[in-house]
Amino acid sequence: QVHLVQSGPEAKKPGSSVKVSCKASGGNFDSDSVSWVRQAPGQGLEWMGRFIPFLDRPNYAQRFQVRVTFTADKSTNTAYMELRSLRSEDTAVYYCARGGLYFGLDIWGQGTRVTVSS
Amino acid sequence: SNVLTQPPSVSLAPGKTAAITCGGTTLGNKGVHWYQQRPGQAPVLVVYDDTNRPSGIPERFSGSISGNTATLTISRVEAGDEADYYCQVWDTSSDEWVFGGGTQLTVL
Repeated sequence: QVHLVQSGPEAKKPGSSVKVSCKASGGNFDSDSVSWVRQAPGQGLEWMGRFIPFLDRPNYAQRFQVRVTFTADKSTNTAYMELRSLRSEDTAVYYCARGGLYFGLDIWGQGTRVTVSS
Repeated sequence: SNVLTQPPSVSLAPGKTAAITCGGTTLGNKGVHWYQQRPGQAPVLVVYDDTNRPSGIPERFSGSISGNTATLTISRVEAGDEADYYCQVWDTSSDEWVFGGGTQLTVL
């Protein structure tokens, strides 16, 4: 059974960048995509986009397109999300999740808390 | 773009049946997925593609769809079912996943 293990919490200043990792243990991403979903305090789930490792191709949600970059290192089964020009509204828990259109997002990481504050 | 509408909250006594709805235009020709999120935890997929249950999810959880409304039904509700529930579809017009606003289930 694949587990997704994310990097630890981050505290950042406004205007800086953050890079969150998501490592697949007990397997790899296979042919599935890796989505990134965030959740601001007390708010709902917000999809940021996905990365398709076997195609080496990202698919960004329009509202994040300018500030976010998804990458993956297939040799270590690790996906990355980098968000730039951070602002206080980016304070949230960031999740990676594996899945496809038909089966949904069936495996989730534990989440990474990112706090943006001056 | 597709907007998914869920009731903000549903409350009921233990042992009752909860029905959480998710409405959206042209929902009928998309696969709807449902997630349970307990406080402080990551979401868990409980129904995929309208009506299917992943392995390990109790049979008390079921999904259905009628026209442009999808419904997650939880039978014989227990205290452990208290959580936020989110529906999700793939919006083909924007090529993005869209989540509903979430429904907080409270077991009285």
